[in-house]
Amino acid sequence: DGGITQSPKYLFRKEGQNVTLSCEQNLNHDAMYWYRQDPGQGLRLIYYSQIVNDFQKGDIAEGYSVSREKKESFPLTVTSAQKNPTAFSLCASSIDSGQGVYHGYTFGSGTRLTVV
Amino acid sequence: DQQVKQNSPSLSVQEGRISILNCDYTNSMFDYFLWYKKYPAEGPTFLISISSIKDKNEDGRFTVFLNKSAKHLSLHIVPSQPGDSAVYFCAANTNAGKSTFGDGTTLTVKP
Repeated sequence: DGGITQSPKYLFRKEGQNVTLSCEQNLNHDAMYWYRQDPGQGLRLIYYSQIVNDFQKGDIAEGYSVSREKKESFPLTVTSAQKNPTAFSLCASSIDSGQGVYHGYTFGSGTRLTVV
Repeated sequence: DQQVKQNSPSLSVQEGRISILNCDYTNSMFDYFLWYKKYPAEGPTFLISISSIKDKNEDGRFTVFLNKSAKHLSLHIVPSQPGDSAVYFCAANTNAGKSTFGDGTTLTVKP
């Protein structure tokens, strides 16, 4: 079955520590996205990538970094500069940024990151 | 400035009745609108979309209506079922493909 796999499901980070969230898709989608959902709020865009080796900042990119070396993979690194204590991060993909408009995104099941 | 707003955080309806979820937007450059359904601890699932050149799109029990002049869209679920209980997100896209999401409405369908 095709889909998006995010790992780990839960992650604990110490202050000052960098951690990396994994996102892998086998849908052959060109575009990939990272969103964050804060309690009682909608999804806000962290980073997105429309093709391999290219990515752009979203609305809340501060304290995060990404890479897109392979079409299937779009890992997100949360750095010590990211002050949000708890976050639910969602990875998504679409066939290309245009098709995402018509068919929507396919989302992973999310990673909950907590600062301890 | 929040460009996509869902002003009702929650909605409760009886099984078999109609559920109407509303969404307002401010950016006239949005040209596609989508609804997603989300269960706890899962990612959202795409439900239905509508182009800005249409005013209605129907898929089974789900219908989305778009009023461009009012910058308003709504999702109708008829008849509502207990399995429809979830958080519903409205999203809007420009042709760049990025989605801007509302804060979500929690729908509870009572048996």
